[in-house]
Amino acid sequence: AQKVTQAQTEISVVEKEDVTLDCVYETRDTTYYLFWYKQPPSGELVFLIRRNSFDEQNEISGRYSWNFQKSTSSFNFTITASQVVDSAVYFCALSEAGQGAQKLVFGQGTRLTINP
Amino acid sequence: DSGVTQTPKHLITATGQRVTLRCSPRSGDLSVYWYQQSLDQGLQFLIQYYNGEERAKGNILERFSAQQFPDLHSELNLSSLELGDSALYFCASSEAGLAYNEQFFGPGTRLTVL
Repeated sequence: AQKVTQAQTEISVVEKEDVTLDCVYETRDTTYYLFWYKQPPSGELVFLIRRNSFDEQNEISGRYSWNFQKSTSSFNFTITASQVVDSAVYFCALSEAGQGAQKLVFGQGTRLTINP
Repeated sequence: DSGVTQTPKHLITATGQRVTLRCSPRSGDLSVYWYQQSLDQGLQFLIQYYNGEERAKGNILERFSAQQFPDLHSELNLSSLELGDSALYFCASSEAGLAYNEQFFGPGTRLTVL
């Protein structure tokens, strides 16, 4: 069965620090997709990134970077030079391929607080 | 703004009642999903529709039902409400409903059962 674990329930850092949010997943499929979503205080979930299981290249988008390692079943998210606007709950999610459907399994989320 | 709309934004009702939550997907998206977010259960997938047909089912209670109409909007019906049904209910949509599609979430409907 699919499972996503975000062991860090809450993280609090001072602005400009780098911070890494951990995500570990479990799946028996060889083809799967991993996602990160952000839930700011306003409540809406915002898509950040998608990775497929065949692409282990790390990705960088501005201050955000993602490290996907199949060997450790991890898909970690790093924010460099954090800003107060990064304060939000971040969710990692997993979707298994097949049968024309999509069930997103979410981790419990990590609440990130960036203090000025 | 994701382009997904949900109404109402807030709903307060009593135990035993029935409510209907409504969702309009982004223009062009054929698939709609429903999720429940609560403090104890986290974000849970409930059900997926694609072009009017049910595609996938998650941990949806028998008291809950959903449908997607020909104009692609969707409704989630919750009946015989219990205190534990109080939660934030999200609708999301995607282009094709496939495993790699990114989902766009609406602002949610906060349901409070008293």
